[in-house]
Amino acid sequence: GESVGLHLPTLSVQEGDNSIINCAYSNSASDYFIWYKQESGKGPQFIIDIRSNMDKRQGQRVTVLLNKTVKHLSLQIAATQPGDSAIYFCAENGWGGGSNYKLTFGKGTLLTVNP
Amino acid sequence: EAGVTQFPSHSVIEKGQTVTLRCDPISGHDNLYWYRRVMGKEIKFLLHFVKESKQDESGMPNNRFLAERTGGTYSTLKVQPAELEDSGVYFCASSPRGLERWNEQFFGPGTRLTVL
Repeated sequence: GESVGLHLPTLSVQEGDNSIINCAYSNSASDYFIWYKQESGKGPQFIIDIRSNMDKRQGQRVTVLLNKTVKHLSLQIAATQPGDSAIYFCAENGWGGGSNYKLTFGKGTLLTVNP
Repeated sequence: EAGVTQFPSHSVIEKGQTVTLRCDPISGHDNLYWYRRVMGKEIKFLLHFVKESKQDESGMPNNRFLAERTGGTYSTLKVQPAELEDSGVYFCASSPRGLERWNEQFFGPGTRLTVL
């Protein structure tokens, strides 16, 4: 079936550097994408989302870029801090199937921030 | 406002036993979802309730899994009998009333199930 996947399973950066986490998706009908952060012992936490009518959206220290031509999504974290260390998941909520609300997740990227 | 809560946080059972997981969504949220993450794999959708009705259960692996949401408040997910491949982290999420697909889903901390 359709899937959402990640290019890099792990990413290690120095504190203060910018981080970029990538994600590829295969469902051309996908029109809503979300990035989640999961810290140890906690459930996924919403970071930022983007709809397919946009190619960029910014939040506090985070930016999501969407390239529909190549079906690619990225999360940029500026001035990465130790508290950003977590697993990051991209997820897609597209049309199709019995429910329009179920999220399809990628495998996750482990971000480690070195002090 | 309390978030989504799940109980227990961790369960270790023998193969063939029964386990029941509980999820309490955020008060007032009509939509409730179950997901699970098996070791090394991505988080996968199991099913979606709207109030007490099952909207979509296409992700349920087999008939050993039974989810209920009597009264449209908390939900339970029973695995009977449990198999080794059922080990993983089971997440519950909830979102407010409405048909907006982009209503944020709020996740609970998960229940880690280990089947020996």
